[in-house]
Amino acid sequence: GENVEQHPSTLSVQEGDSAVIKCTYSDSASNYFPWYKQELGKRPQLIIDIRSNVGEKKDQRIAVTLNKTAKHVSLHITETQPEDSAVYFCAATPNYGGSQGNLIFGKGTKLSVKP
Amino acid sequence: DTGVSQDPRHKITKRGQNVTFRCDPISEHNRLYWYRQTLGQGPEFLTYFQNEAQLEKSRLLSDRFSAERPKGSFSTLEIQRTEQGDSAMYLCASSLGARADEQYFGPGTRLTVT
Repeated sequence: GENVEQHPSTLSVQEGDSAVIKCTYSDSASNYFPWYKQELGKRPQLIIDIRSNVGEKKDQRIAVTLNKTAKHVSLHITETQPEDSAVYFCAATPNYGGSQGNLIFGKGTKLSVKP
Repeated sequence: DTGVSQDPRHKITKRGQNVTFRCDPISEHNRLYWYRQTLGQGPEFLTYFQNEAQLEKSRLLSDRFSAERPKGSFSTLEIQRTEQGDSAMYLCASSLGARADEQYFGPGTRLTVT
């Protein structure tokens, strides 16, 4: 089955710097990769996603890149702000014969942005 | 609030008791998922429904766990004979149709088994 490894587990940056979080997935059949942001005590929020037919996707200060050959997916946050501080999760959804089911999550990266 | 809602938000129970959680998905979302999240971990998949049909169950879903979605709208997750290891955040998510993999989460029910 699918396995998703995420690193680093913690990341501390200065406000205004960039942050990069990386995930490696095991199942080459996986074709959808969402990223969630979870603030303390709150629900995971979908912030950006990418499908396997696309190499990069941007939304304002965040971007996600996918390397299908290496089975890597990365989240990039530019011009970080204190409100970006949260735990970020990558996930993958294996494609079971065209039917999309569960998400397999990484263990999360705790991002701290220091003012 | 038109997002996914869950009830209760917190539940404290004694070992051996049964508990039931409710999830109300986003209106018209036909897929509903249950996940469990423990401290410092990502959500782990438990089960999902398409309309009222339960299509997939994780091996994490022991026979003490049961989930229903009788009319294809809200869902309930019941845990019988709770154990301390069941203490976790139980998250519900929903998604719609052609973009079924875009899952939107509820606030969760935090279960503490004493």
